[in-house]
Parts: sequence; structure tokens; C-alpha cells
Amino acid sequence: AQSVAQPEDQVNVAEGNPLTVKCTYSVSGNPYLFWYVQYPNRGLQFLLKYITGDNLVKGSYGFEAEFNKSQTSFHLKKPSALVSDSALYFCAVRRNTGGFKTIFGAGTRLFVKA
Amino acid sequence: DVKVTQSSRYLVKRTGEKVFLECVQDMDHENMFWYRQDPGLGLRLIYFSYDVKMKEKGDIPEGYSVSREKKERFSLILESASTNQTSMYLCASNRGTGTYTGELFFGEGSRLTVL
Repeated sequence: AQSVAQPEDQVNVAEGNPLTVKCTYSVSGNPYLFWYVQYPNRGLQFLLKYITGDNLVKGSYGFEAEFNKSQTSFHLKKPSALVSDSALYFCAVRRNTGGFKTIFGAGTRLFVKA
Repeated sequence: DVKVTQSSRYLVKRTGEKVFLECVQDMDHENMFWYRQDPGLGLRLIYFSYDVKMKEKGDIPEGYSVSREKKERFSLILESASTNQTSMYLCASNRGTGTYTGELFFGEGSRLTVL
């Protein structure tokens, strides 16, 4: 069965500091991995994805994520956080052998302090 | 700009009422999805559809049904609303068939309160 774990309910970081939001996954076979962001009272917006190839994936708004197959992780990172990055972040996984179901983690709230 | 539009942002209904949540996408996507979002639980898949008139149950289909009569429209129906269906409902769509389907595009959400 597929599952996604985001071990931190909230991450606090000062503006200008690097940020990391953690994600680990479990899926049979090779995964497609995604990060989405949600601002208050809005739907989710796609940030980036890993399909195949280079383990370091770059996405929107300066975010990047590193796929680590041995640790089954896909942590979201940004070198310098902005107050406007404060939002709810979701990691998601889907099998790459077909199927339509995307499984989401519980979400991590990022709070960036000025 | 691509768009997924949910007809109602906020609804308040009474227990036992029938509730319709409508979703329209303008991207000619094959696949459409209904999720519910609850704090601490993330997003859970209720139903999805990969073609007109086709539907499949997700992880929590009980108490819900869906309809997809046209490619661009996917409706979620609560036959008899209950208080435990108070939630944020998110519609999403994506392209693709076979082994690869793309990232999801989400609507703004419909916050339903059942009294």
C-alpha cells in the first residue's frame, strides 16, 4: 500500500534562513513524487515533481527537492525563506506503474518569521 | 490560465439534506477527482473518474456518489448529509492515461458545514 509521512506538523524558520520540510514515502515499485502548497482558504498549487532522472528537482518560487531512493525520502528545501512562504505544504506520491491514485501526507505548516 | 472551478466556496446545510458540489475544468483533462481535506488527515480521495460516465471509488466513498456526464464536469453528491461530512472538499483534474498521469490541478475548495 502507498503511504506518505510528513513527520513535522509545523516548521518554524526565520526569514533569510534555509528551510527544509521533510517527507518520506512507501510505495511498491518506483514512485512519482510531488509537492503542493496551500495558502489559507485556497486550493492546492503544484510546486514540483520527481518523475525520473536527476535526483535534485527544482520547482516554483525557488523551491527544490531531493529524491533519495535508499532513504525513501523527498524533502522540500529552499536556501532562503521568505515570510510569504508561510503556508501549508503537502507531499504526495503515486506509483509509476499506472493507476490514478495520488496519496497525500497530512501536511506541514511552515511559519516564516520576519 | 488553466482553471478548475468549484461552484460554491461556502455552503451550510442541514442534516439529511441532499447536497450537490459541482466542479468544472477547462483544460480538457481526462481525469477528475474529489478529495476531502480535514486537519491532521491531509487529503483523502473520495471518488475519481478517468473518462465520461466512468467512476471509481477512492478511499472513503461511503455516503457519497458522483456523476460525470460531460468531460469537463464532475459532480459530488451527498445523498443525505451528516455532521461528519462537514469538511473542505477539493476537486482536482489531471491529464494522462496509461502509466503516466500528470500533476493535479485543484479548485479553490468548497467548505461545507452540516448542522
